[in-house]
Amino acid sequence: LAKTTQPISMDSYEGQEVNITCSHNNIATNDYITWYQQFPSQGPRFIIQGYKTKVTNEVASLFIPADRKSSTLSLPRVSLSDTAVYYCLVGPPNDYKLSFGAGTTVTVRA
Amino acid sequence: DTAVSQTPKYLVTQMGNDKSIKCEQNLGHDTMYWYKQDSKKFLKIMFSYNNKELIINETVPNRFSPKSPDKAHLNLHINSLELGDSAVYFCASSPRDKTYNEQFFGPGTRLTVL
Repeated sequence: LAKTTQPISMDSYEGQEVNITCSHNNIATNDYITWYQQFPSQGPRFIIQGYKTKVTNEVASLFIPADRKSSTLSLPRVSLSDTAVYYCLVGPPNDYKLSFGAGTTVTVRA
Repeated sequence: DTAVSQTPKYLVTQMGNDKSIKCEQNLGHDTMYWYKQDSKKFLKIMFSYNNKELIINETVPNRFSPKSPDKAHLNLHINSLELGDSAVYFCASSPRDKTYNEQFFGPGTRLTVL
């Protein structure tokens, strides 16, 4: 499994855009990049997944450069309710064994 | 309707006791999992069952025994509980045909061993 590195924590204010970058230098050809969100006292929740370039859904955008050695999760106009831990995972699309690192704790302030 | 449910939500017990955590999913998924999240927030997979058959068994003490009576249920039984077993345990499920690494997690069971 490709190892990932992401910042331990980030602070932001309501209405700002939050960008979390994840490094995965040894990503394999068939690996996808997946992001999960975990609110306090809840289980993780799938946010977005991508292979290359850009993926966007109603929650976030995922930017992946051509070399795929990193990726950036972008949360537009965050609110207090976006305070959570965000996990970056790398692995094949049919991988039963998800590997969660320490994640990035995002704190949104008023 | 709750997609993945776990009972109990909190479990406080003494060292040496035996306890069980139950998990049920109503999503029609074939695969279910148990994860352990320690105090540092690291989430590690313990077991995975696909259609009632064990497919992943990480390095977990044999005091932990999963049981899947049917594909909608995956229970976790823990014998001779130790202090280090204190953690939050999450159950999850995923569909058979996976193009996305999307697993659906339950709310967690916080186990405290005294």
